[in-house]
Amino acid sequence: EVQLVESGGGLVKPGGSLRLSCAASGFTFSNVWMTWVRQAPGKGLEWLGRIKSKRDGETTDYAAPVKGRFTISRDDSKNMVYLQMNSLKTEDTAVYYCSKDLHYWGQGTLVTVSS
Amino acid sequence: QAVVTQDPSLTVSPGGTVTLTCGSSTGAVTSGHYPCWFLRKPGQAPRTLIYDTNNKLSWTPARFSGSLLGGKAALTLSGALPEDEAEYYCLLSSSGARVFGGGTKLTVL
Repeated sequence: EVQLVESGGGLVKPGGSLRLSCAASGFTFSNVWMTWVRQAPGKGLEWLGRIKSKRDGETTDYAAPVKGRFTISRDDSKNMVYLQMNSLKTEDTAVYYCSKDLHYWGQGTLVTVSS
Repeated sequence: QAVVTQDPSLTVSPGGTVTLTCGSSTGAVTSGHYPCWFLRKPGQAPRTLIYDTNNKLSWTPARFSGSLLGGKAALTLSGALPEDEAEYYCLLSSSGARVFGGGTKLTVL
């Protein structure tokens, strides 16, 4: 059974940093592309970025609003994908989801950016 | 990046048929945009219904289908059930990234 479990959310001050983790199980992690998506309160879904598999170059793509502030990485030995978020703004407050192939989703982790 | 547009809200009668559409500011949506459709209910994670225009996942109810229609991606629901009331989001590929539409709130009434 595919399982994705996000962690690392919490309260952070504007300008701060946070690293989210997504633990994957139930499939061959190294072969898949992983994506991060968020949903701010009262807003729609927002695609943040993705990381390809190692065999596809392990390259990353990002949405314009987070490019340069957010970094996605993966550790295939641990079946983990990460979202490093820097220079956080109040508008980054959201529930953050990781997704396998945009088919399977975790339950999300809440990030609140507030002073 | 493109702006992806969806009707903000639609209403369908129980048992009825409704088509949700997804357009792009850059022009006609094609299979090269790899359209995906997701269902979102309050308090729940997104659920993928359709990927790559018209491909279903094992859990996608048969009453949902994806297509291209009039230059847009389309999600058709045939035989709406009360439990289909939710927000529906499309996602398009755009210049190496992906962009969600603003979502359609579907009411079954």
